[in-house]
Amino acid sequence: NAGVMQNPRHLVRRRGQEARLRCSPMKGHSHVYWYRQLPEEGLKFMVYLQKENIIDESGMPKERFSAEFPKEGPSILRIQQVVRGDSAAYFCASSLTLSGTGNNEQFFGPGTRLTVL
Amino acid sequence: GDSVTQMEGPVTLSEEAFLTINCTYTATGYPSLFWYVQYPGEGLQLLLKATKADDKGSNKGFEATYRKETTSFHLEKGSVQVSDSAVYFCALSEGGGGATNKLIFGTGTLLAVQP
Repeated sequence: NAGVMQNPRHLVRRRGQEARLRCSPMKGHSHVYWYRQLPEEGLKFMVYLQKENIIDESGMPKERFSAEFPKEGPSILRIQQVVRGDSAAYFCASSLTLSGTGNNEQFFGPGTRLTVL
Repeated sequence: GDSVTQMEGPVTLSEEAFLTINCTYTATGYPSLFWYVQYPGEGLQLLLKATKADDKGSNKGFEATYRKETTSFHLEKGSVQVSDSAVYFCALSEGGGGATNKLIFGTGTLLAVQP
């Protein structure tokens, strides 16, 4: 049973370009979370999605950032017109259910390390 | 809002030493509490968790007790190994129905164990 997969693992972009980060949740998981880890800091929640729906985007910057989780295919975190401050590790996590006991554990992917030159 | 505070690192210990990493939280309601471990270049792995007051989570010799009266969830291990060297994150998630289950993390504590 494959874990959460993210690609690419490393992404280098120049200022003003677009970055697209992909996350394939664990098989059977329909809840996806994106977190950002800035250098020397902890992870910060960005957005929570279920299939075809954004449930909570309270941690997303107001501009340039968007996320989707289509019915088919991976979840995508898209950053337009990247700036140096976007350089960070972006982690995706998935869970089987939302709440209740036992099945709401979040499993993390290995992350995508974005470097903006 | 909800928050997690954990002791700053790095924590440097000799092999077989006793480990404590302090974690306190602020939350409304009844959160679940977690410790995650991150090895170099990898994602986070759940180390242990506790879902209600007085619960003790344990795994691989690590343990932490959910203390509601002191709002704490300190991580302990009786005898650390070089292979325990990693960054440890304390985290909480909101409890109750309707919560989004998002995790709120502390800043992480780097543990370096020397042979």
